[in-house]
Amino acid sequence: AQSVTQLDSQVPVFEEAPVELRCNYSSSVSVYLFWYVQYPNQGLQLLLKYLSGSTLVKGINGFEAEFNKSQTSFHLRKPSVHISDTAEYFCAVSDWRSNYQLIWGAGTKLIIKP
Amino acid sequence: DGGITQSPKYLFRKEGQNVTLSCEQNLNHDAMYWYRQDPGQGLRLIYYSQIVNDFQKGDIAEGYSVSREKKESFPLTVTSAQKNPTAFYLCASRDGYSNQPQHFGDGTRLSIL
Repeated sequence: AQSVTQLDSQVPVFEEAPVELRCNYSSSVSVYLFWYVQYPNQGLQLLLKYLSGSTLVKGINGFEAEFNKSQTSFHLRKPSVHISDTAEYFCAVSDWRSNYQLIWGAGTKLIIKP
Repeated sequence: DGGITQSPKYLFRKEGQNVTLSCEQNLNHDAMYWYRQDPGQGLRLIYYSQIVNDFQKGDIAEGYSVSREKKESFPLTVTSAQKNPTAFYLCASRDGYSNQPQHFGDGTRLSIL
């Protein structure tokens, strides 16, 4: 069955340092990939998406992600984090076998240390 | 501005009581979704609807019911059969195309009195 693994439940990082949030998925067919951000007590907001084309995808708030088909990964990166990036980040994948329903990772909490 | 409106933001339920969570969208999206979110478990799909007057069970539909009488509305009823309803509930919608992302409302937090 298709699955999404976010390897870290929490990632602490100092302000202005770079960060990488990891996401791996299991699928042998073409996939669509998404990263969402959730601030406390709010809904989810789309950060970026990979549908096709360039494997490096740029999103909002300075985030980017790289699709690596051979490693079935879609890691999220930011070169310099700010206190306002404190949130939970979710990776999701869909393909035709799931009828394009999103399969979600468990989420990674990004904790920014001053 | 277009978006998804969930109401109320906070809801309290007594034992044995049914409650209904509202979800309205003005994005003209065909598909709508209900998710349940518990700490550390990500999002779990309760029900979804891809067209008016049609809906399908998700992974955790037991104890919940929905209706889709209008394109813009997809209310969720948490019935007394749902024994552990305390959670954060999120409604989402998506354009009909399969590769488009879902858009989310701000959620409803349901608690048991």
